[in-house]
Amino acid sequence: EAGVTQFPSHSVIEKGQTVTLRCDPISGHDNLYWYRRVMGKEIKFLLHFVKESKQDESGMPNNRFLAERTGGTYSTLKVQPAELEDSGVYFCASSAGTDYGYTFGSGTRLTVV
Amino acid sequence: KNEVEQSPQNLTAQEGEFITINCSYSVGISALHWLQQHPGGGIVSLFMLSSGKKKHGRLIATINIQEKHSSLHITASHPRDSAVYICAVLGGSQGNLIFGKGTKLSVKP
Repeated sequence: EAGVTQFPSHSVIEKGQTVTLRCDPISGHDNLYWYRRVMGKEIKFLLHFVKESKQDESGMPNNRFLAERTGGTYSTLKVQPAELEDSGVYFCASSAGTDYGYTFGSGTRLTVV
Repeated sequence: KNEVEQSPQNLTAQEGEFITINCSYSVGISALHWLQQHPGGGIVSLFMLSSGKKKHGRLIATINIQEKHSSLHITASHPRDSAVYICAVLGGSQGNLIFGKGTKLSVKP
């Protein structure tokens, strides 16, 4: 069974540019989560999809972040325009439900310069 | 103060030592996860538990719901156990994880 796939693994962009991160969850997992770790801090929740619907987006830092999950399969997280404080590692996780475990992707390391 | 606190933040051990990492939380939870992240690597789920104790190989995880405390133990530690160990609790109604800052473990040969 393929795991959760994220790409790119690394991205270096200039302040003001746009970056799109992608997450392919485990097939059949309705729940998809985006998390972020900024330097020196704990991993923080960004948002949660159930199928194609946003169940909870209370962790999204501001309106420069836009997440989509068209068709309830893969998800994208777009940052536009990127700011320096957006640098960090963005993790995606999927789950069949809260009674089940989570499978995490390897993360995308975003550096905004 | 974070809702999930881990101790210690950093831990150095000699190969073969018994290791304990602690996690305390201040919110009501339905489950607690122990995760592992190797340097430059992704996050791997080690355990999900809501009561009692689980064991997998040399790893043991315990939880005391009344005391809001969990421990991760590693027996006969090995250099390949060197990683960041993260405690995360499932506390929100929507199924979001709340993470501790992690414990960086280094096991010396």
